[in-house]
Amino acid sequence: AQSVTQLGSHVSVSEGALVLLRCNYSSSVPPYLFWYVQYPNQGLQLLLKYTSAATLVKGINGFEAEFKKSETSFHLTKPSAHMSDAAEYFCAVTMNTGFQKLVFGTGTRLLVSP
Amino acid sequence: SAVISQKPSRDICQRGTSLTIQCQVDSQVTMMFWYRQQPGQSLTLIATANQGSEATYESGFVIDKFPISRPNLTFSTLTVSNMSPEDSSIYLCSVAQGVDQPQHFGDGTRLSIL
Repeated sequence: AQSVTQLGSHVSVSEGALVLLRCNYSSSVPPYLFWYVQYPNQGLQLLLKYTSAATLVKGINGFEAEFKKSETSFHLTKPSAHMSDAAEYFCAVTMNTGFQKLVFGTGTRLLVSP
Repeated sequence: SAVISQKPSRDICQRGTSLTIQCQVDSQVTMMFWYRQQPGQSLTLIATANQGSEATYESGFVIDKFPISRPNLTFSTLTVSNMSPEDSSIYLCSVAQGVDQPQHFGDGTRLSIL
């Protein structure tokens, strides 16, 4: 069975500061990993995905994530936060066998202050 | 990525009634899914909508409560039956172009039951 743990239900940063959102996964098989963002009153937007190619994955809006198998982690980072980054962020995992059942973490709300 | 339209975007319903949510995609997709996001929580997969056959439901979800149709490769419906206040949630449709492709989400249907 797979699972995802997101540490910190809320993360607060100042505009211009580094953003670090943590995600640890558990999977009995090599995983596919995803980060999604949810803005208020909207659905989920795919930020980036790891599908067993390069371990450092670059996504949209300046975000990137690094797959670290030894640490079973897939943390999301952005060098400089912008006010528009304030949203809910979800990490998700699925098996890389082609079956598309996504298992989501509990989400982290990013708050950005001026 | 595909453009996904969900209708209605929100609704307020009386307990005991049923509501059908539509998900329309602008291109043919291999896989369609329905998720529930309860207030302040993460997403939980309800079922995989299979074209031309019965949906595949996850543990805790049953066809009598959440009947799903998928008559073709661009359209699916989810019905929430005999609603109670506990069904107040956001219901999201997602699609994937193939078994190894990421899922993309609609904007969701925000449902409140009085």
